[in-house]
Amino acid sequence: QSVLTQPPSVSAAPGQKVTISCSGSSSNIGNNYVSWYQQVPGTTPKLLIYENNKRPSGIPDRVSGSRSGASATLGIAGLQTGDEADYYCATWDSSLSVVVFGGGTKLTVL
Amino acid sequence: QLQLQESGPGLVKPSETLSLTCTVSGGSVSSSSYYWGWVRQPPGKGLECIGSIYSRGSTHYNPSLKSRVTISVDTSKNQFSLKLSSVTAADTAVFYCARLLATYHFDIWGQGTMVTVSS
Repeated sequence: QSVLTQPPSVSAAPGQKVTISCSGSSSNIGNNYVSWYQQVPGTTPKLLIYENNKRPSGIPDRVSGSRSGASATLGIAGLQTGDEADYYCATWDSSLSVVVFGGGTKLTVL
Repeated sequence: QLQLQESGPGLVKPSETLSLTCTVSGGSVSSSSYYWGWVRQPPGKGLECIGSIYSRGSTHYNPSLKSRVTISVDTSKNQFSLKLSSVTAADTAVFYCARLLATYHFDIWGQGTMVTVSS
């Protein structure tokens, strides 16, 4: 199992907001920056959020990230069918000395 | 614009060594600002970081794979490489190379290459 824990799936209706949680420990999320990736099946992962809450150029502001303690949250507002994908959190683990990923969350837009 | 491209055999026999190369274009693998990493994804499963390398040669490997992994950089060819020894069917995956920034996020990814371990 993954070092970081994510819910296997979440769903919401178009136009609604969804949040995806990512739980870790003091050796990873608690003391290191969190990033989030979107992966449409069959395609390459795409960076959505870095350094907990920063968006790369081209990522809309309806996508947000936050970190509190040893947990992080990705939020996507104004859901669109194009948001259907798998979402992964990631961070550095200071004990393992490697980037660790969450197990991934499948987002379904109903 | 920086681009990464993986290359290598798509089929490897069990117990042999998997070797992949990532060619960097539009930028330099020698840049002091970045690490370069490998991430794999078994069919239908999640992402796993295999390890990363700094342009000066320092490396970090996933402890679960450390005994079998070597990541190296060739600045003359603007490439970095992955070797994974003693492979089994469990190593079958899509392998991605990616640029890793100082705050440990992968911002640019290669398209990925599927490697199947089978006799």
